[in-house]
Amino acid sequence: GAVVSQHPSWVICKSGTSVKIECRSLDFQATTMFWYRQFPKQSLMLMATSNEGSKATYEQGVEKDKFLINHASLTLSTLTVTSAHPEDSSFYICSARDREQQETQYFGPGTRLLVL
Amino acid sequence: AQKITQTQPGMFVQEKEAVTLDCTYDTSDPSYGLFWYKQPSSGEMIFLIYQGSYDQQNATEGRYSLNFQKARKSANLVISASQLGDSAMYFCAMREWAGNMLTFGGGTRLMVKP
Repeated sequence: GAVVSQHPSWVICKSGTSVKIECRSLDFQATTMFWYRQFPKQSLMLMATSNEGSKATYEQGVEKDKFLINHASLTLSTLTVTSAHPEDSSFYICSARDREQQETQYFGPGTRLLVL
Repeated sequence: AQKITQTQPGMFVQEKEAVTLDCTYDTSDPSYGLFWYKQPSSGEMIFLIYQGSYDQQNATEGRYSLNFQKARKSANLVISASQLGDSAMYFCAMREWAGNMLTFGGGTRLMVKP
């Protein structure tokens, strides 16, 4: 099946620093990528949808200035958590929809962020 | 209102037995897709099975089958011959064709007993 990678897989940072998470589709082109956030024992919550070459669409309640999303190419999207605080600690998962097979959405392995 | 409802927060099943995980959905869009994902403790989301709203037959993928009852708006996942490795969280999700994103249910934690 299609592969989506995320880097880093986990990160620990100090409060106030910014963290960048990369999401790559390895063997397919993804016109649309999605960023989710998952707190322990909860479901995935969509944060934003990014389309290649255009601005991301953020879900209600998600601060676009805090969670910067860039989808510079058909295989790469980045999420930057700016001035991270402990409440931003979470599991961040990206997913990508195959340009050729629109029905299926593949997920990355996730990034665990811990802000001290 | 919840668009995807999974009423079973946790379930046990004996190894080698079949188990059904419930999922009901709510949409007014005539065209939509339903998905099931498995999330083991490592956190990765593994795609299991897909059912389109216009598909005439229930989807099957190996030991996974989807019991799609359109009139009742349910899309239950059936896992046959459970294995210990099936222990994980299972999420039902829907994408309406009018929209662009997956909406997830709250998940069901499945535990397979040896």
